Amino acid sequence: AQKITQTQPGMFVQEKEAVTLDCTYDTSDPSYGLFWYKQPSSGEMIFLIYQGSYDQQNATEGRYSLNFQKARKSANLVISASQLGDSAMYFCAMREGYGNNRLAFGKGNQVVVIP
Amino acid sequence: GAVVSQHPSRVICKSGTSVKIECRSLDFQATTMFWYRQFPKKSLMLMATSNEGSKATYEQGVEKDKFLINHASLTLSTLTVTSAHPEDSSFYICSASRLAGDEQYFGPGTRLTVT
Repeated sequence: AQKITQTQPGMFVQEKEAVTLDCTYDTSDPSYGLFWYKQPSSGEMIFLIYQGSYDQQNATEGRYSLNFQKARKSANLVISASQLGDSAMYFCAMREGYGNNRLAFGKGNQVVVIP
Repeated sequence: GAVVSQHPSRVICKSGTSVKIECRSLDFQATTMFWYRQFPKKSLMLMATSNEGSKATYEQGVEKDKFLINHASLTLSTLTVTSAHPEDSSFYICSASRLAGDEQYFGPGTRLTVT
């Protein structure tokens, strides 16, 4: 079964607008962590934001925020005030359990920011 | 801190030859390193997990005799693609963690082309 699901097609976003990237996950482990990474065309994986399963508040990092809905098993990424440099692939990933740092990645969302 | 490098960034080799890719943690000691493979416009697929001083743990479907992984020190892991074939052409990314359960820091990736 797929652990992380990202089903949105490629997205075009107007510069300065906000964009939401969907991510749903599947786990029976009560302890898990959710990550979002950005991968520009150069290929490197850039860590954006992390949400732990026991965190009471939604994670925020600058222009990135995570809309964590535990009951729905979703962890959507919101990018506010999009910039041209935000054009990239965005991957949602999950780590299950304590002491385990194996990551399962979703298929990614392509975002293109247009001026 | 937490910088991971990979060498080479790009390599082209002939079919039947072997190629070695290095992954180094530059400013921290990594007890665990991971090797991923990424096809164009696809997600990252975990190939194997390597712990310093012990044999790597390979994911299902990954040939350990084909993809040799060595984690001889706390700052270096190598992936050797043996008897490479065109279907081995891919983007290979490593990541490193200080301890089990810690965050993974990703290298910039190596693009392998087998002709």
